Amino acid sequence: DVKVTQSSRYLVKRTGEKVFLECVQDMDHENMFWYRQDPGLGLRLIYFSYDVKMKEKGDIPEGYSVSREKKERFSLILESASTNQTSMYLCASSLPGQGFGSGANVLTFGAGSRLTVL
Amino acid sequence: RKEVEQDPGPFNVPEGATVAFNCTYSNSASQSFFWYRQDCRKEPKLLMSVYSSGNEDGRFTAQLNRASQYISLLIRDSKLSDSATYLCVVWDPGFQKLVFGTGTRLLVSP
Repeated sequence: DVKVTQSSRYLVKRTGEKVFLECVQDMDHENMFWYRQDPGLGLRLIYFSYDVKMKEKGDIPEGYSVSREKKERFSLILESASTNQTSMYLCASSLPGQGFGSGANVLTFGAGSRLTVL
Repeated sequence: RKEVEQDPGPFNVPEGATVAFNCTYSNSASQSFFWYRQDCRKEPKLLMSVYSSGNEDGRFTAQLNRASQYISLLIRDSKLSDSATYLCVVWDPGFQKLVFGTGTRLLVSP
């Protein structure tokens, strides 16, 4: 089974702090994603990466940055945390390609990191 | 109109009941379709992909209706353990991304 591991399950930070959320996958997946999930809004894509050192903005990248120095690791950074970034953060990975039936676009999620910013 | 829409529920059903959820999508060019299951305070997990011809996995049946742009999930003989939120997910080729619905909550009671 693919395992996606998020380093912190629960974090409490103060406004203005820098926050690092780490995500590691062990199945050599090219694609990695960061989402946040909020009640009534569903999952929203923050950033994604299809390769090492590559990153693309998702739907809500403002206030976030990412780093992918190694294939298995994708980090989400909140440069200066704010209260509206209190949320559940989910990392996911998938196989490359977009062809249906190839396993592409099937996401495996980590257990999530619940961040509270005071 | 939202790209992917689901009835948030909750759907309250007794054990053994049959329940069905629908999910509509706005982009007619959408290709891949999926149902994910998310337990309370847990991560989403793939339940099943949805094929054009419809597909079945045990008590779960997924259907795709391209003409009306919706997918459905049918659960037969509901179990207590089926209580969860079911997320509809669609691959949007225009934006080259997966789009998630906000989920339908199912509560199965004894």
